Amino acid sequence: SAVISQKPSRDICQRGTSLTIQCQVDSQVTMMFWYRQQPGQSLTLIATANQGSEATYESGFVIDKFPISRPNLTFSTLTVSNMSPEDSSIYLCSVRTSAGYEQYFGPGTRLTVT
Amino acid sequence: KNEVEQSPQNLTAQEGEFITINCSYSVGISALHWLQQHPGGGIVSLFMLSSGKKKHGRLIATINIQEKHSSLHITASHPRDSAVYICAVEPSYNTDKLIFGTGTRLQVFP
Repeated sequence: SAVISQKPSRDICQRGTSLTIQCQVDSQVTMMFWYRQQPGQSLTLIATANQGSEATYESGFVIDKFPISRPNLTFSTLTVSNMSPEDSSIYLCSVRTSAGYEQYFGPGTRLTVT
Repeated sequence: KNEVEQSPQNLTAQEGEFITINCSYSVGISALHWLQQHPGGGIVSLFMLSSGKKKHGRLIATINIQEKHSSLHITASHPRDSAVYICAVEPSYNTDKLIFGTGTRLQVFP
């Protein structure tokens, strides 16, 4: 199994500012993902964080808005840039050791943009 | 139409009842996951299965690959089972990713 921690756990931010969310895993993992869960909705994949190279973004998400870093196999950051109230969501970091294995989720970062 | 559909969307039960949550999907898959999300937002992986049936405590998950259908059963339900249960599939065309259902909100009353 993998234990994932995220910082911050929650934040209230002003429109136009940026917030960086950190994800730390207790073991080296191949796959690391960032998800968004808007109020009352299911999870939507933002991007796959690739170690040592640019993240792979899903349709509707762009690097300028959600820059991602992954400097090693246990750590990643997601920045939500130039925030608007529509960015108010829970942001979750998730990992898999390999395809075909269980997926583990961090506790989430609850973001409110005013 | 969503590739992963869950039913019901909302479910209430009395403590002790047997509960079934259903998941249907329209794509070929390599595996299916059942996840539990508590009100605080944290998500726990309950099962990952690609055939047959798995059991863990009071939870049982089954899958029928031919019918593209899975069920999650909770026996002797308890108020602490109250959560959102999410079905997610690994599509055969891209096993790196999961496609999520919209979740079933379960409330168990004492």
